[in-house]
Amino acid sequence: DAGITQSPRHKVTETGTPVTLRCHQTENHRYMYWYRQDPGHGLRLIHYSYGVKDTDKGEVSDGYSVSRSKTEDFLLTLESATSSQTSVYFCAISALWDGANYGYTFGSGTRLTVV
Amino acid sequence: KQEVTQIPAALSVPEGENLVLNCSFTDSAIYNLQWFRQDPGKGLTSLLLIQSSQREQTSGRLNASLDKSSGRSTLYIAASQPGDSATYLCAGNTGNQFYFGTGTSLTVIP
Repeated sequence: DAGITQSPRHKVTETGTPVTLRCHQTENHRYMYWYRQDPGHGLRLIHYSYGVKDTDKGEVSDGYSVSRSKTEDFLLTLESATSSQTSVYFCAISALWDGANYGYTFGSGTRLTVV
Repeated sequence: KQEVTQIPAALSVPEGENLVLNCSFTDSAIYNLQWFRQDPGKGLTSLLLIQSSQREQTSGRLNASLDKSSGRSTLYIAASQPGDSATYLCAGNTGNQFYFGTGTSLTVIP
């Protein structure tokens, strides 16, 4: 989507290394989310942010940390990558906490492979 | 914890057929519901958003409805086309996050 970009699009990393994924939005939306998508599990929430420096955990937050120092950027860090973190990672944004008015808008995803 | 089920998991239909995709939630207290389309290797594209005060939304050949009493939503696709082939995901907001189903993989055969 034009208003939200993720980088990198693809990454291969080694077990035990730290990895940071970036989500950038130009919509000035307050809420930002990181999801992972795995076969058979659908999309699962990792962390979300409800404002600059305001973040909270989702259902699969172990092994991940996030930071939001500016409204437009939300970073996801894998502190020490493991093979179980091989997945497709999606960032999403919403204007309101319940997705009202505009719903969620998703980025194109980052395909991460941990070897 | 909210669980979202989408039925069927996969569907194959000939071009021109009308079809219905189903989505159900274990917790019927849903504020907003959104249907997405996902093409292979791509992100999620929003199709329809049903907000808390609404019961259905329509866009072109697509119509989505939400029955909050039962926690069920349906996506109706009229006159299906090969370009409709994709995975369709529903997501419902409960509290402060959306919960996603695992999707219905649709193939429309020319």
